[in-house]
Amino acid sequence: DVKVTQSSRYLVKRTGEKVFLECVQDMDHENMFWYRQDPGLGLRLIYFSYDVKMKEKGDIPEGYSVSREKKERFSLILESASTNQTSMYLCASGRFNEQFFGPGTRLTVL
Amino acid sequence: QQPVQSPQAVILREGEDAVINCSSSKALYSVHWYRQKHGEAPVFLMILLKGGEQKGHDKISASFNEKKQQSSLYLTASQLSYSGTYFCGTVTGGGNKLTFGTGTQLKVEL
Repeated sequence: DVKVTQSSRYLVKRTGEKVFLECVQDMDHENMFWYRQDPGLGLRLIYFSYDVKMKEKGDIPEGYSVSREKKERFSLILESASTNQTSMYLCASGRFNEQFFGPGTRLTVL
Repeated sequence: QQPVQSPQAVILREGEDAVINCSSSKALYSVHWYRQKHGEAPVFLMILLKGGEQKGHDKISASFNEKKQQSSLYLTASQLSYSGTYFCGTVTGGGNKLTFGTGTQLKVEL
């Protein structure tokens, strides 16, 4: 069974804090993705990575950065968290034709 | 640009059929369908590649009309377990990323 795990299910941070969201997959997938999910807006791609140290911007990369130092781990970084980044964050890994999602991290920025 | 899904929400009685549509303003290379049950991660259902094929997965099938740049998901004889939010994701010609629609909430009642 493919497993994608995320470091926290719930996270509360203050405006201006630096936030790290971690994602680990155990299937040796080259591709990894970060999405945010908001009511009425669906799943929106923030960044993705198709190899170690490689990254590409998704549709809404502003305010975020990513890091992929090892194949199994993909981190999303909020350099200075803002209230409009309160959201559900979903990590996924997989091939082009099928992505496997983690359980999500619900981030609240106060 | 996100594909447009319709309807936004639908309520069915068990055993009824439903159709969910997904339209793109750009030429499609592939369409991907996912279902997300309440409180869970999205799960891959199927992918349709350019060529107008139809695919099936239990009593859930989908078609892809390349000319109209749209795909439809057909749920036949719905079961309670079909409840959830259905997302289509599209890859448009020349692109390498998946863009999800805003989702269709489906509820099946007894």
